Parts: sequence; C-alpha cells; structure tokens
Amino acid sequence: AQSVTQLGSHVSVSEGALVLLRCNYSSSVPPYLFWYVQYPNQGLQLLLKYTSAATLVKGINGFEAEFKKSETSFHLTKPSAHMSDAAEYFCAGRLGGGSNYKLTFGKGTLLTVNP
Amino acid sequence: DGGITQSPKYLFRKEGQNVTLSCEQNLNHDAMYWYRQDPGQGLRLIYYSQIVNDFQKGDIAEGYSVSREKKESFPLTVTSAQKNPTAFYLCASSAAAGGQETQYFGPGTRLLVL
Repeated sequence: AQSVTQLGSHVSVSEGALVLLRCNYSSSVPPYLFWYVQYPNQGLQLLLKYTSAATLVKGINGFEAEFKKSETSFHLTKPSAHMSDAAEYFCAGRLGGGSNYKLTFGKGTLLTVNP
Repeated sequence: DGGITQSPKYLFRKEGQNVTLSCEQNLNHDAMYWYRQDPGQGLRLIYYSQIVNDFQKGDIAEGYSVSREKKESFPLTVTSAQKNPTAFYLCASSAAAGGQETQYFGPGTRLLVL
C-alpha cells in the first residue's frame, strides 16, 4: 500500500542542536516527496520538495532533506535548531498507484526547541 | 500578493445545520483541494477539482459537498450528515493536479459545533 510514515510524533531538541525528523515512504513508482511546516492555527508552508533532479534537496530556513531510495527515506535535517523552528512538520508524497493527483501525508512531527 | 484566502477563520455550526467554508485563490491555478486536519491524524483529502466544473471525491467525502463554478473559487459545504465536523479545514491549490506540482495552502478555517 502507498503510505508515508513519520517516525516520532514529538521531537525535542535544544537550541543549536541538530534537528532530524524522519520520514519513510512506500510507493509502487518513483515518488515526488515534500516537507511542509505548520505553525499553530495556520496553513502549511512548503519547506522543500524532491522531484528526482537531485537526491539532496535544500529548502528554506536552512533545512535540507536527502532522498535515499535504498532506505525508502526522505529525512529532514537542520544543523542548528533555532527557537523559531518550533512547529509541526509534515512529510507528504505523490506515490503513484493510479492516484497521481493525490498527496499522501504523514501524521506529523511536533518539534519543540528548548532554550 | 498572490495567495489563497479562506473565510471565516472560525465557524460555529448548530445541530442539523449546513455551513459553507469559502476558499478563493488568485494564483491562476487549475487544481484545488479541501483537506480535513484532526490532531495526530495528518491531513485527509475531502474533495479535489482539477478544472472548473469538475470535481472528485477524496478519501473522506461523506457528509461534504463542493462546487467549482469559477476557477478562483472552491467552496466546501459541511452538511448535517457529517456527524463529527469539528476539525481544522485547509484549502489548497496547485497549477495542475499531480506530478511534482506543489500544493499551496490557505490559512485554514476552524469549525466548531455548538
């Protein structure tokens, strides 16, 4: 079945520490993958997307993600967390299977940044 | 500035009442979407429209209805048949449906039941 799985519903880091948010996918065709960020009571904002042009994708606010086909993963990282990074992060993918229009979302990871 | 607007920000529904959520975009996008967000559930697709005068059911369409009479507008009606309507509703649009097209999201409407 086509799916996106985010490991860890809540991640807590100290300010200045590495941020690692995990995302794995299951797809019958090469996927298009996205990371979005959501601040409380707001819509989703695109951080970055993978479209097969490059496996290491750089996004806004210092975030990047690496597509690893062998591990079916698309983990999001940032070298040094800032207080303003505290938000909920969603991994999403177009996974094929005859529903190319559909964006399948993970359940989200809430990132807390401690001073 | 181009973008997606949703109104109202908060909406209250009484038992047995239909309510309509507004979504407007000025990005000249062909495709529009409605999602429902519940805590810990991610986003679930209610309806989507690839072009004017056409729309399809998503994963959780029961109790909802939509129309797409204009390219810029994709209103969602939550009918009395939707027994658990309390949620955060997000509208999105993309230049086209599918592929590597990015979906852009509006600010959302929070629906509460009185």
